[in-house]
Amino acid sequence: AQSVTQLGSHVSVSEGALVLLRCNYSSSVPPYLFWYVQYPNQGLQLLLKYTTGATLVKGINGFEAEFKKSETSFHLTKPSAHMSDAAEYFCAVTLAGGLTFGKGTHLIIQP
Amino acid sequence: DAGVIQSPRHEVTEMGQEVTLRCKPISGHDYLFWYRQTMMRGLELLIYFNNNVPIDDSGMPEDRFSAKMPNASFSTLKIQPSEPRDSAVYFCASSPSLGLGNTDTQYFGPGTRLTVL
Repeated sequence: AQSVTQLGSHVSVSEGALVLLRCNYSSSVPPYLFWYVQYPNQGLQLLLKYTTGATLVKGINGFEAEFKKSETSFHLTKPSAHMSDAAEYFCAVTLAGGLTFGKGTHLIIQP
Repeated sequence: DAGVIQSPRHEVTEMGQEVTLRCKPISGHDYLFWYRQTMMRGLELLIYFNNNVPIDDSGMPEDRFSAKMPNASFSTLKIQPSEPRDSAVYFCASSPSLGLGNTDTQYFGPGTRLTVL
C-alpha cells in the first residue's frame, strides 16, 4: 500500500518569496506522483505529475517539483509567490487506479 | 469540452433519506472515480470504474453506499439511508485510458456538497 505525508497543514509566505511545500511518500515500488491545487469551493486541478523520465517536473503557474527516490520526496516549489497562489495543495500517489492523497497544505500569501 | 459535470452542487437532506449524486465524465474517458472529502479524513477514494465496470470498491464505507455506471456517460453514487456523518464534499473524476495501469491525469468535477441533518 502507498501513503503520502505532507509536512505542514498551513504554510505562510510573503508575496514574491519562495514557496516550498513538502511531500514524502511511502510505496513498495516507485509510484506515480502528482500535485493538485484546490481553490475555495472548486474541484482539484492538476499542477504537475511525475511518471517516468526526468525527475524535475515543471507544471502550470510556475510550479515545479523534483522526484527524489533516495529521500522518497516530491516537494513542490515556486520561486516567487503570487497572491493568486493562495489555495489548498494536495500531493497524491498512485501505483494504478485511484489516487491516495495527503492531508493537504493550505498556502497563505502575505502581502 | 465541458469537463466533468456533477449534480447537484449542493444537497441538504435529513437523516434517513436517500441521496443520489450524479456525474457525467469527460467524453472518451474510460476511467471514472468517486472521492469523498472531509475535514477529518481528507480526500478518500470510494470506488472507481473502468469501461463502466467497478474495479475497486474497497473504499466504500458501508453497505449504505452504492455506485453504478450504467453507460459511459453517466454514474451515480447513492446513499441509503443517509446519516449526519456522511456530510462531506463528494467529487467525481475521470481519466482517459492508457492501457496497463492508470498513470494519466484525473480531471475532477466541481463536487457536490452534501449536508445531512
